Amino acid sequence: AQRVTQPEKLLSVFKGAPVELKCNYSYSGSPELFWYVQYSRQRLQLLLRHISRESIKGFTADLNKGETSFHLKKPFAQEEDSAMYYCALSGGIRGSTLGRLYFGRGTQLTVWP
Amino acid sequence: DTAVSQTPKYLVTQMGNDKSIKCEQNLGHDTMYWYKQDSKKFLKIMFSYNNKELIINETVPNRFSPKSPDKAHLNLHINSLELGDSAVYFCASSQDWASGGPNEQFFGPGTRLTVL
Repeated sequence: AQRVTQPEKLLSVFKGAPVELKCNYSYSGSPELFWYVQYSRQRLQLLLRHISRESIKGFTADLNKGETSFHLKKPFAQEEDSAMYYCALSGGIRGSTLGRLYFGRGTQLTVWP
Repeated sequence: DTAVSQTPKYLVTQMGNDKSIKCEQNLGHDTMYWYKQDSKKFLKIMFSYNNKELIINETVPNRFSPKSPDKAHLNLHINSLELGDSAVYFCASSQDWASGGPNEQFFGPGTRLTVL
């Protein structure tokens, strides 16, 4: 069964500190992994996806198939990074999940000044 | 330009009423979704339509009925509203389901439903 686990419901760091939001998954096929972010009173938006291997707003995430993880990292957190972060998995549009996204329960990140 | 829009943004209603939430996307996508975000911020898919055809129907009470008049619209109708239906409902869309491309989904702003 597909599952996405975000073990931390809340995470607080000070501005300038490194931050890592953990995400582990279980899926029998080849997953597509995503990080979505929801800023206060805004819509959910894609932050990054593993196939792009890109850095967005200083965030990076590496898919580790051995550890079935897709942790989100940023070396120096900023106050504007405070938001709810969701890790999500898809089996791909042609995969068994029929394109649906399975979300973790989210991690609320607070960056203190 | 708003890519995925939902109306209304807020909906407050009494138990037992019937209500609808509308969703429109102007991205030319063929696939649309409805998600429910509960009070603990957990997001779970409810329905998915591809080219007006239902392809995902999670375990959702049949009081919830999606309707897709065309591929740019996916409305959610809820009959006999219950207290437990209170949540934020998000619409989303993605490119053609069958194209095999990356499944990036674009979300609407959400509709906060409160059932009294």
